[in-house]
Amino acid sequence: DAKTTQPPSMDCAEGRAANLPCNHSTISGNEYVYWYRQIHSQGPQYIIHGLKNNETNEMASLIITEDRKSSTLILPHATLRDTAVYYCIVPLFGNEKLTFGTGTRLTIIP
Amino acid sequence: DTGVSQNPRHKITKRGQNVTFRCDPISEHNRLYWYRQTLGQGPEFLTYFQNEAQLEKSRLLSDRFSAERPKGSFSTLEIQRTEQGDSAMYLCASRLLSGGALEQYFGPGTRLTVT
Repeated sequence: DAKTTQPPSMDCAEGRAANLPCNHSTISGNEYVYWYRQIHSQGPQYIIHGLKNNETNEMASLIITEDRKSSTLILPHATLRDTAVYYCIVPLFGNEKLTFGTGTRLTIIP
Repeated sequence: DTGVSQNPRHKITKRGQNVTFRCDPISEHNRLYWYRQTLGQGPEFLTYFQNEAQLEKSRLLSDRFSAERPKGSFSTLEIQRTEQGDSAMYLCASRLLSGGALEQYFGPGTRLTVT
């Protein structure tokens, strides 16, 4: 899997946009970027994925730079329930397993 | 609840005992995965199944570990002769093969404590 680098922790005020960065400079042309999150005492939850175009769904937006070496997950209006560990994952193409790393612990502050 | 379920949610056992965990995936999901998560770390892949066939096993899955999915529905993970280092959260996930993305749906996990 392509190596990913994320800040260990971030804070964000409730109601503001949370922007979580991820570096993946060794990503190959056919490898996707996935984001999962894990709320305390729960299993991980899929958020979004993308290849090179920006993506948006009901949970978040994913912005991937043109050179694909980094991406940003955006939670547009963070709530307290968004407090979790967020994982950026770039699986090897054709690989079924997810390599989670240590992620970014996002704390939403009231 | 139609999500992935795991039983038991918690298990305390003494070193040397055998334990078995069960995972019931989302109905019709043909791929099933097992992960292990220790404190402060992200989940680590152990193995996965396509229906009843075990297609990949991690080096983390020592000879004391065995996983089965006999009828392509639920799966079991057995640990023989447990060691204190086996204490962890064991997570199960499933997905539908026809789905293009690696969108795995995770269960709540089984927390194992070996004393």
